[in-house]
Amino acid sequence: EADIYQTPRYLVIGTGKKITLECSQTMGHDKMYWYQQDPGMELHLIHYSYGVNSTEKGDLSSESTVSRIRTEHFPLTLESARPSHTSQYLCASSDLNEGYGYTFGSGTRLTVV
Amino acid sequence: KNQVEQSPQSLIILEGKNCTLQCNYTVSPFSNLRWYKQDTGRGPVSLTIMTFSENTKSNGRYTATLDADTKQSSLHITASQLSDSASYICVVSDRGSTLGRLYFGRGTQLTVWP
Repeated sequence: EADIYQTPRYLVIGTGKKITLECSQTMGHDKMYWYQQDPGMELHLIHYSYGVNSTEKGDLSSESTVSRIRTEHFPLTLESARPSHTSQYLCASSDLNEGYGYTFGSGTRLTVV
Repeated sequence: KNQVEQSPQSLIILEGKNCTLQCNYTVSPFSNLRWYKQDTGRGPVSLTIMTFSENTKSNGRYTATLDADTKQSSLHITASQLSDSASYICVVSDRGSTLGRLYFGRGTQLTVWP
C-alpha cells in the first residue's frame, strides 16, 4: 500500500545529542517536505526537495539539515539538539502538480531535555 | 502578507449535532483550498480539495464550500460523532511559484461530547 512513513513516532533525547528523523514514501513522489508544528499553531515549512540531490530551506529558519539521496527517502538531522528544538515534525510528499497527492506522515514528536 | 484565518479557535458540540467551521484567506493568486483533519499527535489527513471553479465538495459527512470572490470557505460536519474530535485545518495553495506554496491556518479544535 502506498504511504508515507516517519520514525520514530516519539523521541526524548538529551541536549547536545545528534538525531536523525526518518521519512520514507512509497508513492514515487518527487516532492518531499518537512514541517514543524507547535501545539495550537500552524505548520511551518522548514525544508523541501524537488527530487534527488535537490534540497531547499523553507520559510521557518531551522538548525536542522536534510538530504535527498534516494527519491523515497528524506531524512532530517539535528547535529546538536537543544530544548528549543522540542516540537512535532511532520514529513509530507506530493506529486509534481501537488493536486490530490499531497500526503502527510504521522509525525515525530521530539522532546529535548 | 498571505494569511489564512480560521474561526472559531475551538468548538465543543454534542454528539449528533451539526457544526460549521470557517476559513477566510487573503492568499493571491489562488490555486486551491484544502481542508485537513488532524487527530492529536498525528499527521493531517485530507478531507476535501477545491479549485477556483468549485464551490462545494463533499466527503461523507463533511461538506466544504468555497466562495472565491469573498475568499471564504466553510466546512460543515453533519451528525457529528465522537471520532470527529480533532483539529480541522484550512490550507490554501497559490499558483505563483513552481513549489505551489501552501498557507496553513492554525486550525479549529473540535471536541464532540457524548
